[in-house]
Amino acid sequence: EPEVTQTPSHQVTQMGQEVILRCVPISNHLYFYWYRQILGQKVEFLVSFYNNEISEKSEIFDDQFSVERPDGSNFTLKIRSTKLEDSAMYFCASTPNAQGRDGYTFGSGTRLTVV
Amino acid sequence: DAKTTQPNSMESNEEEPVHLPCNHSTISGTDYIHWYRQLPSQGPEYVIHGLTSNVNNRMASLAIAEDRKSSTLILHRATLRDAAVYYCILRDTQGGSEKLVFGKGTKLTVNP
Repeated sequence: EPEVTQTPSHQVTQMGQEVILRCVPISNHLYFYWYRQILGQKVEFLVSFYNNEISEKSEIFDDQFSVERPDGSNFTLKIRSTKLEDSAMYFCASTPNAQGRDGYTFGSGTRLTVV
Repeated sequence: DAKTTQPNSMESNEEEPVHLPCNHSTISGTDYIHWYRQLPSQGPEYVIHGLTSNVNNRMASLAIAEDRKSSTLILHRATLRDAAVYYCILRDTQGGSEKLVFGKGTKLTVNP
């Protein structure tokens, strides 16, 4: 069964450093997403991406965040200057159709720890 | 997205059926009903979705009330691996937003 692959599984970084989280969505999917989950809290939407553009973003997704699809397969989330409160699980997801007619496939996540 | 209401927690015994309810009284005619689950320390996993008719797949069945104001996710024979948080989410196919909005879900405990 096709999977969404995320790397690394765990990243530890110092406050103020830049991190890049990587995702390989399912190959025939067109819509890509990042979500995050702070320990013990709900899964929160960050950003959606379609046709090489951000199509929607949440209030959490401020100027320190950016997303990119640098080639035909990878989808990345960059956090420019990490803060302690950025520590969370980050999940990438993809779907072939954004209208809800298809399910969304999530990766297993990257645990980001900011120290 | 329209809101859903789920019990905070449920318990089941292994190899017994489990019925997980979800209320969505403000559902619109264009909302799909999606179910996801999240096993401990893992990402959300798609379970099933439907619009009006009941749906079956290899993981579960989805029973949708005739007025669509509620639905039930049915796990036919619970296993220990089914212990997870189950999320019922409405996706509006006509609205501009593409995102899934996760609530707190129902934490299912499966007893051996």
